[in-house]
Amino acid sequence: DTGVSQNPRHKITKRGQNVTFRCDPISEHNRLYWYRQTLGQGPEFLTYFQNEAQLEKSRLLSDRFSAERPKGSFSTLEIQRTEQGDSAMYLCASSAGTSGELFFGEGSRLTVL
Amino acid sequence: GEDVEQSLFLSVREGDSSVINCTYTDSSSTYLYWYKQEPGAGLQLLTYIFSNMDMKQDQRLTVLLNKKDKHLSLRIADTQTGDSAIYFCAETSMSNDYKLSFGAGTTVTVRA
Repeated sequence: DTGVSQNPRHKITKRGQNVTFRCDPISEHNRLYWYRQTLGQGPEFLTYFQNEAQLEKSRLLSDRFSAERPKGSFSTLEIQRTEQGDSAMYLCASSAGTSGELFFGEGSRLTVL
Repeated sequence: GEDVEQSLFLSVREGDSSVINCTYTDSSSTYLYWYKQEPGAGLQLLTYIFSNMDMKQDQRLTVLLNKKDKHLSLRIADTQTGDSAIYFCAETSMSNDYKLSFGAGTTVTVRA
């Protein structure tokens, strides 16, 4: 499968714990995006990378959130000291520059108890 | 998002055509998209249209773009039960560095 891959697909954690999600984009896609989706809403932009450079972070991304893309390939999104309000689906997407085609992974669903 | 609006629900009979509507505010939008999301799954890119086009057809899907009114629609011909899903409209532009802004989604229910 050469699509965007995310893991874990589902994470249940207790409030205050740290969680990390991983995204493997489509090979050779230089842009990688993280979005968050809550029930009944469309995805909201969190941050994106062009190669290894993080170009923009949304104001939705508090200082408890950090994302990396160390070698310009896979990316990780870490949430520290999770809160119940962090419960959502975290979606990763990739594209080949500004080609217009943005492909999403299946998402990582976070449940904070 | 607040820049892209869609009606929330659509019910259609199997075999009929579905039309999902979307309005957006960014006059500099470059690409406009339709994504499909089934329960518990990620977003599947159905089709997209470049802003200098007014129509795009792909098998059962027809996208119409009225740039003057900032209105986008998706028509699904011969709607099937497998078309039941949430459909998201999204737009992007160079001024927004090609980040997607999504609507809240239209839940399409296909009844027999």
